[in-house]
Amino acid sequence: GAGVSQSPSNKVTEKGKDVELRCDPISGHTALYWYRQSLGQGLEFLIYFQGNSAPDKSGLPSDRFSAERTGGSVSTLTIQRTQQEDSAVYLCASRPTGRETQYFGPGTRLLVL
Amino acid sequence: AQSVAQPEDQVNVAEGNPLTVKCTYSVSGNPYLFWYVQYPNRGLQFLLKYITGDNLVKGSYGFEAEFNKSQTSFHLKKPSALVSDSALYFCAVRDYSGTYKYIFGTGTRLKVLA
Repeated sequence: GAGVSQSPSNKVTEKGKDVELRCDPISGHTALYWYRQSLGQGLEFLIYFQGNSAPDKSGLPSDRFSAERTGGSVSTLTIQRTQQEDSAVYLCASRPTGRETQYFGPGTRLLVL
Repeated sequence: AQSVAQPEDQVNVAEGNPLTVKCTYSVSGNPYLFWYVQYPNRGLQFLLKYITGDNLVKGSYGFEAEFNKSQTSFHLKKPSALVSDSALYFCAVRDYSGTYKYIFGTGTRLKVLA
């Protein structure tokens, strides 16, 4: 079956521009996560959606970062006024209810010039 | 707060030799522990998990991990390394802050030499 997909796969932007990153989770997975993978920093938790509950935004590094999940499916991570330190790979993962295993997408590689 | 540590940035091992990738954890309750692997230019894949039960957990691709409560460790092991095992390995623990949040380590790059 189809896995988690993310778009775009690569994004180059200029400092100060806004970017939107998209995640399509596996159908039926109620939980969705966003992570940031920076060189030497491992995976940094950003935000977690679970069904219709309020998202856990505790990992968002600043108010320039926001995310939404429409209809319990597709999610968009938005970074406003991008900075060079935002350059990283942004990973999305989904998880079925009651299971612990996360399924990751291929990531979006963001480069801020 | 829950945390995991992967003390080695890189591990080199000769093909055919046993490999160990180390992980230690700190949790306030019973640990839920995981290993994920990231092959070059591919997304992270689940390898194995420990929730409860036997301390030796078997997973994908011949990997296993040993849960050691007294040493708060969850080391990843394989009896005979393959060149194709070369990848980035992440240990993770489930957070107990009230949500299904997971804390990942910084990753260990495994290089298997032919």
